[in-house]
Amino acid sequence: EVHLEQSGTEVRKPGTTVKISCKASGYTFIDYYIHWVKQAPGKGLEWVGLVDPEDGETVYAENFQGRVTIDADTSTETVFLELRSLTSEDTAVYYCATKTPWGQGTRITVSS
Amino acid sequence: IVMTQTPLSLSVTPGQPASISCRSSKSLLYSDGKTYLYWYLQKPGQSPQLLIYEVSNRFSGVPDRFSGSGSGTDFTLTISRVEPEDVGIYYCMQSVQRTWTFGQGTKVEIK
Repeated sequence: EVHLEQSGTEVRKPGTTVKISCKASGYTFIDYYIHWVKQAPGKGLEWVGLVDPEDGETVYAENFQGRVTIDADTSTETVFLELRSLTSEDTAVYYCATKTPWGQGTRITVSS
Repeated sequence: IVMTQTPLSLSVTPGQPASISCRSSKSLLYSDGKTYLYWYLQKPGQSPQLLIYEVSNRFSGVPDRFSGSGSGTDFTLTISRVEPEDVGIYYCMQSVQRTWTFGQGTKVEIK
């Protein structure tokens, strides 16, 4: 069974960096892109970017370009999302996802 | 590609039908002949779950009261008889490019 298990809640101060993880299991890791999707409180879904675990190629949404890094570790079948220069606007739940399933989400709170 | 859903909210009596429309700013038909339009349901407090893939294919385990239709830029999700467990927010999503974009979401509640 395909499963994406995400790391736990993070709290950061403005201007700092956070890195969260998503461990894949139940399928061949390099076969599918993994995407990250942001959901701010009470808001809809916003695509952040993707990584191709086979070769590490990444694509980022314009809104996050230059402030985000997504990478994949094939030895642990884990994908990471790093977000820098955090502001209160980054407070959200972040999901890693294939078409199906999605991870359970990681809540990031940015507050002074 | 911009995805536009209507309506943004829907209140439905159990047993009655419901429809949600999704329009894309560009055709979602890819050169391989597939149309990359998906429907997800996000139940309260949960991650989005896939209902329909490639316009009209029901994902495994999805009740047959859910159906998808459309082509090109115009798509519809229909629930033939709404059940209380269908409450949540429904999103359409395109992936004709590797990037994803979502509709704004349609909140479905039960009367």
